[in-house]
Amino acid sequence: GQQLNQSPQSMFIQEGEDVSMNCTSSSIFNTWLWYKQDPGEGPVLLIALYKAGELTSNGRLTAQFGITRKDSFLNISASIPSDVGIYFCAGRHNAGNMLTFGGGTRLMVKP
Amino acid sequence: DAGITQSPRHKVTETGTPVTLRCHQTENHRYMYWYRQDPGHGLRLIHYSYGVKDTDKGEVSDGYSVSRSKTEDFLLTLESATSSQTSVYFCAISESTGSTDTQYFGPGTRLTVL
Repeated sequence: GQQLNQSPQSMFIQEGEDVSMNCTSSSIFNTWLWYKQDPGEGPVLLIALYKAGELTSNGRLTAQFGITRKDSFLNISASIPSDVGIYFCAGRHNAGNMLTFGGGTRLMVKP
Repeated sequence: DAGITQSPRHKVTETGTPVTLRCHQTENHRYMYWYRQDPGHGLRLIHYSYGVKDTDKGEVSDGYSVSRSKTEDFLLTLESATSSQTSVYFCAISESTGSTDTQYFGPGTRLTVL
């Protein structure tokens, strides 16, 4: 099936540091979504991107839809302990298509 | 939070037994999905439904069947569970599959097949 390559697979950072993670694909997507999953819970939508080049923020989170439509990144500024979790990217080719998910980035924050 | 519940939340069963997982939504959304989550694989689509009695296969549908007799309920059945079906199962809902639509997830069911 379609693959989204998400990196890094895991990160262990100090509280207060900035974080960056990204997703790349060999094919074009028209929608990019970023989700966060807390331990024992389902993924929760953080940011949705619908246009190439779009840059969207949600508090300390910023995500961008790559110009080539084949990638997206998520930045977290000034990390805090509650940022711990697994972050997933997801892409959709066109309306009517299903989402394809990346493998996730596990973030650990040291107080 | 989207009104999605899953039951049971945890289940341990033996190889060869049938298992049914239930997803219930209070949002009246048309689309419902079943995913499995495994380390290193992220979320993979098993089956989805685009309306009552309308379902289709996803990426990893072998060994699974689904049914949707009411808008609010989407059932996932493992006819004869195998150890490879040990996983965490998530239900999701969406209003449509339009380009601006997003999916909302339930809390998950952890299934262990011994």
